[in-house]
Amino acid sequence: AQSVTQLDSHVSVSEGTPVLLRCNYSSSYSPSLFWYVQHPNKGLQLLLKYTSAATLVKGINGFEAEFKKSETSFHLTKPSAHMSDAAEYFCVVSEEGGSEKLVFGKGTKLTVNP
Amino acid sequence: GAVVSQHPSRVICKSGTSVKIECRSLDFQATTMFWYRQFPKQSLMLMATSNEGSKATYEQGVEKDKFLINHASLTLSTLTVTSAHPEDSSFYICSAFPRGVYGYTFGSGTRLTVV
Repeated sequence: AQSVTQLDSHVSVSEGTPVLLRCNYSSSYSPSLFWYVQHPNKGLQLLLKYTSAATLVKGINGFEAEFKKSETSFHLTKPSAHMSDAAEYFCVVSEEGGSEKLVFGKGTKLTVNP
Repeated sequence: GAVVSQHPSRVICKSGTSVKIECRSLDFQATTMFWYRQFPKQSLMLMATSNEGSKATYEQGVEKDKFLINHASLTLSTLTVTSAHPEDSSFYICSAFPRGVYGYTFGSGTRLTVV
C-alpha cells in the first residue's frame, strides 16, 4: 500500500529565499507523484506531476520537484519565495497509471515572511 | 480545460437537516469522481469513489447511509449529507481524472457548518 510522509508540518521562509518542502513516499508499484497547493478555503491546484518520465519535474509558478527512487523522496523546491506562495502544500501518491485513488500527505503549511 | 465545478462553496445548516453538494465536470466526461473530506489542519481523506450509473464505493469507516452519493450522468456527481450533525462540519472536495489531461482536477470545495 502506498503512503506519503511530509516531514515538516510547517515551514517558514523569508520572501526571496529558497523553499524546500520535503516528501517521502512508500509504494509497492511504480508510483505517480503529485504536489498540490491549497490556499485558504480554496480547492486544490496541481503544481506538478511525476509519472516515470524525467526525474526532475518542473511545475507552475517556478516550483520543481526531483524524484529520487533510491531515497524514495519527491521534495518540492523553489529558488525564490513570493508572498503569494503562502499556502498549504500536499504531496500525493497514486499507483502506476494514476487512475487509482490518491493518498495524501498531511500537508505542509508554508509561511512567507516579508 | 478540465474544470470541475463544485457548489455550494459554503453552507450552514441546522442539525438534523440534509445538505446536497454538487460536483460537475464542465468540459469533459467523468465516469469516476472522488469525494474527499478535510478536517481542520489535517490532510484530505478519501470518502468514496463515485461511479456513473452504479453504486459508489465507500472507504472503510464511511457511513454510506449518511453520505449518499449519486452519479446519474457523466458530468454530475452529488454528495448528500443526511441528518447532519455538528461533527459532520468539515471541508468537502470532489475531484475527477480527465483522461489525457495532466493530473487530477479538484473542485473548489464546500465548507459545511452544522449548527
